[in-house]
Amino acid sequence: AQKITQTQPGMFVQEKEAVTLDCTYDTSDQSYGLFWYKQPSSGEMIFLIYQGSYDEQNATEGRYSLNFQKARKSANLVISASQLGDSAMYFCPSGGGATNKLIFGTGTLLAVQP
Amino acid sequence: NAGVTQTPKFRVLKTGQSMTLLCAQDMNHEYMYWYRQDPGMGLRLIHYSVGEGTTAKGEVPDGYNVSRLKKQNFLLGLESAAPSQTSVYFCASSSQGAQTGELFFGEGSRLTVL
Repeated sequence: AQKITQTQPGMFVQEKEAVTLDCTYDTSDQSYGLFWYKQPSSGEMIFLIYQGSYDEQNATEGRYSLNFQKARKSANLVISASQLGDSAMYFCPSGGGATNKLIFGTGTLLAVQP
Repeated sequence: NAGVTQTPKFRVLKTGQSMTLLCAQDMNHEYMYWYRQDPGMGLRLIHYSVGEGTTAKGEVPDGYNVSRLKKQNFLLGLESAAPSQTSVYFCASSSQGAQTGELFFGEGSRLTVL
């Protein structure tokens, strides 16, 4: 992808509620992949979920699901039943094509409130 | 079971000094990436490699050089460090770039340039 856009710098959600984090991408590649990573305050990058551009079904991993809308070039992350431990920075890197250059957006800071 | 290892984890340099960050992976991955992350921002791609002996520029390559002489190692060099290069540096590796869901990150290296 040439550009990743995460339009929500920060989000609040109540514990146990669902939250959607937005991610749009701009690419001319036919084959590409989209990831979601979580970065807690400790700094490590934690893999959450992956969607390939040719995958027909939306990816799901436990409480995480990816709402992939290829025509709109969006890959929003849905977290169901938020937990306090979900408070972190979230990124949606993407890449593909011949170079497989992986580009990040600016991220969304999620705060889960009790 | 090392995965991706970055060396050193912390370093303080004076302006004008040089240093090399080492990224080592034991998963026989073709693709390796170097990113920098500045406070409150996403990861920006510095350089990347699609295989042994190859390197390519990312989004912010100026002031850095890289080498991939061995498949398992990806070195990031700063020839003359500047305060603007104070950042946290992340290395990542992948078997097929964004075409599959495998993308592994190191723990990060915090560099301060005084």
